[in-house]
Amino acid sequence: AQSVTQPDIHITVSEGASLELRCNYSYGATPYLFWYVQSPGQGLQLLLKYFSGDTLVQGIKGFEAEFKRSQSSFNLRKPSVHWSDAAEYFCAVGVYAGGTSYGKLTFGQGTILTVHP
Amino acid sequence: NAGVTQTPKFQVLKTGQSMTLQCAQDMNHNSMYWYRQDPGMGLRLIYYSASEGTTDKGEVPNGYNVSRLNKREFSLRLESAAPSQTSVYFCASSRTRTETQYFGPGTRLLVL
Repeated sequence: AQSVTQPDIHITVSEGASLELRCNYSYGATPYLFWYVQSPGQGLQLLLKYFSGDTLVQGIKGFEAEFKRSQSSFNLRKPSVHWSDAAEYFCAVGVYAGGTSYGKLTFGQGTILTVHP
Repeated sequence: NAGVTQTPKFQVLKTGQSMTLQCAQDMNHNSMYWYRQDPGMGLRLIYYSASEGTTDKGEVPNGYNVSRLNKREFSLRLESAAPSQTSVYFCASSRTRTETQYFGPGTRLLVL
């Protein structure tokens, strides 16, 4: 079964600093990869996704992520963090086994981002 | 465009009470999902509906039932609520079962 690990439960950065959130997955084949963001009291919003092709994926709000097959990682990056980026970030792995199976989405535990002014 | 909507936003139940969480999407998506979110555990799939007329169990289905009322609506029912079902419940939908899932704002449920 697939699994997702976000090693950092809580990260604090200063506004304007760069950001990297880590995500490692375990799965036998190439998975579909997602990053979602959840602001307090809100639902999850899709930041970006990787299905195939270019391993560097651009998303909304200035975020990008790079799929590294050799490291089983899909880390999220932003060159300059804004105070409005404070939220919880979830990495997710989608596995599609074909046939009548559903698109099983397995989530990591989440990383809470705090931004200091 | 409302996307995925959920009602109620917040609910308090006593142990043993029943309730139904409602979810609707206006994106003409075929697949719909119910997740629960608990601290430190990410989101876990309760039930899903790959298409209208079908439902299947996810990772944590015990204590829940679902109904895919039509293409737009997918409800989650707790027949006899337990404190362990205190959680935040999210509904999601996707155009097909293998495409990106879009989430609603969530329902916060407290079972006393």
